[in-house]
Amino acid sequence: RKEVEQDPGPFNVPEGATVAFNCTYSNSASQSFFWYRQDCRKEPKLLMSVYSSGNEDGRFTAQLNRASQYISLLIRDSKLSDSATYLCVVNFVAGGTSYGKLTFGQGTILTVHP
Amino acid sequence: DADVTQTPRNRITKTGKRIMLECSQTKGHDRMYWYRQDPGLGLQLIYYSFDVKDINKGEISDGYSVSRQAQAKFSLSLESAIPNQTALYFCATSGSGGPSYNEQFFGPGTRLTVL
Repeated sequence: RKEVEQDPGPFNVPEGATVAFNCTYSNSASQSFFWYRQDCRKEPKLLMSVYSSGNEDGRFTAQLNRASQYISLLIRDSKLSDSATYLCVVNFVAGGTSYGKLTFGQGTILTVHP
Repeated sequence: DADVTQTPRNRITKTGKRIMLECSQTKGHDRMYWYRQDPGLGLQLIYYSFDVKDINKGEISDGYSVSRQAQAKFSLSLESAIPNQTALYFCATSGSGGPSYNEQFFGPGTRLTVL
């Protein structure tokens, strides 16, 4: 089983749609959670961190469910510019210390069309 | 100027050749990482370094070696390149303290093709 699993998609949605991505992780000792965005042939960039209480940044909402080991990303009012690959990222803890190593899911492809 | 730079950006080489990929950063970060990305597999960690004297193997270190020449420089070598090392390679950095120390900043990537 992969340590971080995502539905690879692709998700094809019209402008203005709401779309949700899910991600599961296998290590219950995981400490930190993130969503990164990667445009085609470009480097990944941090989109947002995911906090236990859930957090929102404009049209983007991230949720964490530690009991189910599940992370989600909701995008409202999709724009053409949201087309990208969204990477679920987890920081695992070893020996009680976070080493700052990130484990990446394989990514979910989103295409927003006119 | 970019904070994390990689050279070369593209490289085509032949099986058995030695290749070095360079990474430099101006962010003042202690931690540096090398990843490879293959379609459908996501990013896989090759090696990482938490300071100049620290080198650690990642998930897929076989066939690779690294050198941390200075805080700002971290190079990846393929001693004898093989075709299944054809991939997109990313260097990344992160800080070692504070609330955002887990955020990693990536270079633009090096596209390597081994024939």
